[in-house]
Amino acid sequence: KAGVTQTPRYLIKTRGQQVTLSCSPISGHRSVSWYQQTPGQGLQFLFEYFSETQRNKGNFPGRFSGRQFSNSRSEMNVSTLELGDSALYLCASSSRQGGTAPLHFGNGTRLTVT
Amino acid sequence: AQSVTQLDSHVSVSEGTPVLLRCNYSSSYSPSLFWYVQHPNKGLQLLLKYTSAATLVKGINGFEAEFKKSETSFHLTKPSAHMSDAAEYFCVVNPNTGNQFYFGTGTSLTVIP
Repeated sequence: KAGVTQTPRYLIKTRGQQVTLSCSPISGHRSVSWYQQTPGQGLQFLFEYFSETQRNKGNFPGRFSGRQFSNSRSEMNVSTLELGDSALYLCASSSRQGGTAPLHFGNGTRLTVT
Repeated sequence: AQSVTQLDSHVSVSEGTPVLLRCNYSSSYSPSLFWYVQHPNKGLQLLLKYTSAATLVKGINGFEAEFKKSETSFHLTKPSAHMSDAAEYFCVVNPNTGNQFYFGTGTSLTVIP
C-alpha cells in the first residue's frame, strides 16, 4: 500500500505570496490532518478533515485554510505569507475518526518564506 | 485537560547500551498512546501504540513501551542501541474523545559509537 504522499517536497516563496500544499492519504483513509513543525514551537495541529468536512481546528489565523476532496485528497492554503510561516508542514491520514487508529505521516513539505 | 510531557529533551547513549525515553501524560479519559520516530527531513514513523490491550507493547526495530496507569507513564525502551536509532522521538496521546492527538515536545536521541 502506498503511504501518504505530499507535494511538493520543497517550496520557496516570498512574503505576501500564497501557497497551496497537497496531500494524498493512504488508500481507504478518510481522515486527513495537517501539522506545522518548527524548531521553536514543535508540532502544532492545524486542522483535520473527515469526509470533506473540517472536524477540528487548531489555533492558527484565518490565513491558514484547507479542504478535502471526495477522494480524500487534501490541500492546505496559506495566504499572505509571513517569514514565521517557514516550517515543515506535515500531513497525516488515519483509517477512521477516533483515537485508536494511529496517524500515518507523509514526509512533509518544507516551506521557506523569504 | 490533556497533556504530554517528555521528561528529557536530549538523551545520549553508547551503541549497544539500553535506551530509555521517558513520557508522562495526563488525560481525563482512557487514552490511546503512541511513540513516533522522526529522522531528519522526514515525516513521523509509528514505532508502537497502546490502545487498552496488553500494557507492554512491542514495536518495530526492537522498541517496546509499558503503559503504567498508576504512574501515568508510557516510557520507551530498547535493550541495545544502534547507530540508526539516532533520531527525534515523540510521545503522542489521544484521549479517545475524538480524533485530537497531543504531541510531546520530542526527545533527541544521540547514539555514540
